[in-house]
This record gives sequence, structure tokens and C-alpha cells, in this order.
Amino acid sequence: RKEVEQDPGPFNVPEGATVAFNCTYSNSASQSFFWYRQDCRKEPKLLMSVYSSGNEDGRFTAQLNRASQYISLLIRDSKLSDSATYLCVVNSGSGGSYIPTFGRGTSLIVHP
Amino acid sequence: EAGVAQSPRYKIIEKRQSVAFWCNPISGHATLYWYQQILGQGPKLLIQFQNNGVVDDSQLPKDRFSAERLKGVDSTLKIQPAKLEDSAVYLCASSWAGRAQETQYFGPGTRLLVL
Repeated sequence: RKEVEQDPGPFNVPEGATVAFNCTYSNSASQSFFWYRQDCRKEPKLLMSVYSSGNEDGRFTAQLNRASQYISLLIRDSKLSDSATYLCVVNSGSGGSYIPTFGRGTSLIVHP
Repeated sequence: EAGVAQSPRYKIIEKRQSVAFWCNPISGHATLYWYQQILGQGPKLLIQFQNNGVVDDSQLPKDRFSAERLKGVDSTLKIQPAKLEDSAVYLCASSWAGRAQETQYFGPGTRLLVL
């Protein structure tokens, strides 16, 4: 079983739609969670961290469910510019050394 | 603030040849990561440094891959000899101290094609 699993998609949605991605992780001792965005032929960039209480940044909402070991990303009012691959990242470790594990990414295509 | 620098940006070699990549992290960042990203997959961590020490290299194919960060600043990743399956983008990233909630900042990557 892979440590971090994501549905690769693609998710093909019209502008203005709401879309949600899930990511599951296998290490119950994982410490921190992130969503990164990667545009085609570009490097990944942090979209948002994911906190236990859930957090929102504009049209983006991230949730963490430790009991079921998954995180989610909700995008409201999708824009053409949201088209990208969304990577789930889970950090595991202790004592000040944390090892990141990336999922394979979920591809989002927003069309007019 | 300057970002993570990597060179070369592109490299084409034949199988069994050797190749080296260079990375200069953001100034002051103690933690440096090398990833391999094969087309259609997420980045796979090859090695993680904290200053000049190795934190994790469990997924580094040590029979052909090596990496060093001798002075705790810039780093090189080498492949010798290369195989066809090494064709990928090699990403370098850095973070301030490698703590749980820190952001990783990525360089533009080196695209390697092995023929």
C-alpha cells in the first residue's frame, strides 16, 4: 500500500464549479499535512498547510480527518487559472527531523 | 530573496554515462531535499540533508546515485552509470530547519533524458 494516495484524475470541471480532492495516508503518526500546486512543467509551490481545525484561504478550504487518515481540498468557484496538479504532502518523523512524502497528484482541468 | 537555484536545466545523456546536478538552496536554509519526479507521478524523496548531515536516504539507489553537501550549503547529486529509467525531473528543495510545519521551496528542476 502506498503511503500517500491520491486519485490522479483528471477532474474536468466548468468555470464556477466546486470541486473536492481527497488524499489518504497510511502512517497514523504523521505530523503535518500540506497541499502543493504544480503547474505543467513547473516546480511545486505551497498552496496551503492543513490544520486539524480546518483552514480556509479565499476559495480554498482544507480539512484534516486524523481518525480516517485523510485530508481534503475544496475549491469553490473554480477559475481557469486553477488548472494544475494538486499534490498532497504528509510529513512524518520526530525529534526535529521530518520526512516528507508526496502523493502522485490530482490533475484539475477547468474549462470555459 | 533569491530562490533555489539548480543547474543544468536540461541534460541529455546516453545510458551508462554519468551526470551531475547542482543545487544552491535559499540562503540560511539548513534543510535540503533532492527529489526525482517521473512523468505523471509525484516527487519521490531521494535524500534529505540537515546542514551537511543526511537525515534520510532510504529511497536513494546507492549503487548508482550519490549526493553530497560538504559545507552545508550547496549540494550535488550524481548518477553513475545512468539507466533509461532515470529519465525524470530532478527537483531540489530547501526549508529553514526541516520542522514539521515548514514550507519547502523548490528550484526549477533539471530535466534528464537518458537515451
